[in-house]
Amino acid sequence: DQQVKQNSPSLSVQEGRISILNCDYTNSMFDYFLWYKKYPAEGPTFLISISSIKDKNEDGRFTVFLNKSAKHLSLHIVPSQPGDSAVYFCAASATYSGAGSYQLTFGKGTKLSVIP
Amino acid sequence: GAVVSQHPSRVICKSGTSVKIECRSLDFQATTMFWYRQFPKKSLMLMATSNEGSKATYEQGVEKDKFLINHASLTLSTLTVTSAHPEDSSFYICSARIRPGANYGYTFGSGTRLTVV
Repeated sequence: DQQVKQNSPSLSVQEGRISILNCDYTNSMFDYFLWYKKYPAEGPTFLISISSIKDKNEDGRFTVFLNKSAKHLSLHIVPSQPGDSAVYFCAASATYSGAGSYQLTFGKGTKLSVIP
Repeated sequence: GAVVSQHPSRVICKSGTSVKIECRSLDFQATTMFWYRQFPKKSLMLMATSNEGSKATYEQGVEKDKFLINHASLTLSTLTVTSAHPEDSSFYICSARIRPGANYGYTFGSGTRLTVV
């Protein structure tokens, strides 16, 4: 059972427009969420994160929104640039002690293509 | 910033041989490292959690004897794929938590593409 779901495997957006990547989760214990960008044959690169005590976090062109009641978060990229083309992974973790603490659970990723 | 150096980036080996993948934290101490595996068009799947000075914790379905993890120091964790078979071909990535105790700040290695022929 996938605890973190990214239901859109791919997304195409025109350069300059907004890209919205969505992520849903099922585990109510998750309290920290992260977005990673990944190019082929490379490790993920951290983009932005959000704690469950917030509903929005912004960093430059990237904004993450969290809707706890819906167990849904989204990453907004505006304006989108061709260099943003990559696979974006949503990840979640739960703060608790013991085995398994701080582990990241990843979604399957969404491939974003920004068209010049 | 905190960097995890992962080597090799690509390796091709013959079926039945063993391959070692290294991950080093370059400017910080990593008490915990995570090892992931990614299949094509799939998510990053956690294989095991490596703790310095103790045995690794493996996820369900991951063979301990096949994927040997050693975390002998605060800056080095290794994953050895023993008696590799073609189905072990995959992309392996390590990750370390930058600040122990903090629920953020994970840094990833650049990954290792393993091809078993």
